[in-house]
Amino acid sequence: QVQLVESGGGWVKPGGSLRLSCAASGFTFVNYYMSWIRQAPGKGLEWVSYISITSSSSSYIKYADSVKGRFTISRDNAKNSLFLQMNSLRAEDTAVYYCARGRAAGGGLHLDYWGQGTLVTVSS
Amino acid sequence: DIQMTQSPSSLSASVGDRVTITCRASQSIRSYLNWYQQKPGKAPKLLIYTASSLQSGVPSRFSGSGSGTDFTLTISSLQPDDFATYYCQQSYTTPWTFGQGTKVEFK
Repeated sequence: QVQLVESGGGWVKPGGSLRLSCAASGFTFVNYYMSWIRQAPGKGLEWVSYISITSSSSSYIKYADSVKGRFTISRDNAKNSLFLQMNSLRAEDTAVYYCARGRAAGGGLHLDYWGQGTLVTVSS
Repeated sequence: DIQMTQSPSSLSASVGDRVTITCRASQSIRSYLNWYQQKPGKAPKLLIYTASSLQSGVPSRFSGSGSGTDFTLTISSLQPDDFATYYCQQSYTTPWTFGQGTKVEFK
């Protein structure tokens, strides 16, 4: 069955960095878009970034304005893994970060499987 | 950015009730609208994609409709497992945006 397992969350001071990982199994990873979504404590969902099947072209990587220039999404198709490098972290980046699989249908994308999330806390 | 507005923000209902949640986009998103269910401490779960397609394994009491700017999620007969928060999300263009959520509570 499809499984997505995030890791790498934790506590970091403002200005610091963290690298999140998402290990995928149960499906052919190379055939799917992947995405990161976050949820601040007690708040709603916020899309962070997605990466297409191949990361060879920048046009297939998108970011929310709130993280552009600070976060970098990448994937290793050989290791069935998705990553999010987070630099220059701010208090407002505190959230549970979910990785999710993007499936294409009818011309659009939807997030059909989600990991359990990993908590990132940015505080001094 | 496309703004997604859900109404109501919360509702109280009883088992067996018909529940309707609406989602309005600030501009046309054609049918690129998805619905998710989230329970406390859990990851969101996909219910409906491209406005009206039922995700595999989701009970048929859930249905979606709409296109353009106005969309609806309907639960035909609310069950105890359905008390949760529901989010709409547009995938028409980036940045993908979510509605603020609708919390369905027990009356």
